[in-house]
Amino acid sequence: NAGVMQNPRHLVRRRGQEARLRCSPMKGHSHVYWYRQLPEEGLKFMVYLQKENIIDESGMPKERFSAEFPKEGPSILRIQQVVRGDSAAYFCASSAGQGIPYEQYFGPGTRLTVT
Amino acid sequence: AQSVTQPDIHITVSEGASLELRCNYSYGATPYLFWYVQSPGQGLQLLLKYFSGDTLVQGIKGFEAEFKRSQSSFNLRKPSVHWSDAAEYFCAVGDYNQGGKLIFGQGTELSVKP
Repeated sequence: NAGVMQNPRHLVRRRGQEARLRCSPMKGHSHVYWYRQLPEEGLKFMVYLQKENIIDESGMPKERFSAEFPKEGPSILRIQQVVRGDSAAYFCASSAGQGIPYEQYFGPGTRLTVT
Repeated sequence: AQSVTQPDIHITVSEGASLELRCNYSYGATPYLFWYVQSPGQGLQLLLKYFSGDTLVQGIKGFEAEFKRSQSSFNLRKPSVHWSDAAEYFCAVGDYNQGGKLIFGQGTELSVKP
């Protein structure tokens, strides 16, 4: 059973460009979480999605960031008009359900560098 | 507000020595607690978790952690550290009132001396 897949693993964008990060959850998982890890910091929650629904986006910046998890295909985290401060590692995690006892399985992350 | 504090940013221990990484949490309800390990350039791997029951939990790779409600702590321990344990360790609390997002501490980087 393949784990959580993220691509690309590394992404370089110039200021003002768009970044699209993809996350394919583990087989059978329909819950996806996105986290951001800034340099020298822990992971910070961004958004929680189920298929076709955003459940909790309390950690998402108000502008330029959006996320989706369509019925078919991977979850996408989209950052428009990137700025240097967006440089970070973005991790997604998936789970089979919500709440106890479902645990989250993490992907290897996408490291975004904005030049 | 919920929070997790890992007081030690960086710890160095000798190979074969014992290890304790500290974690304190602030959470209004029953905490669900986790320890993850992150090797350089990699994602996070779950070491162990506490949901309820026995306050001493065993995890993978010889790690254990003890939940102490009176101290709001969930410290990670290992009796004998191996060089391959060098990594960053994150403590987290699961906020299941809001869908199960994890709230992480800042991490403790562990270095192992030969």
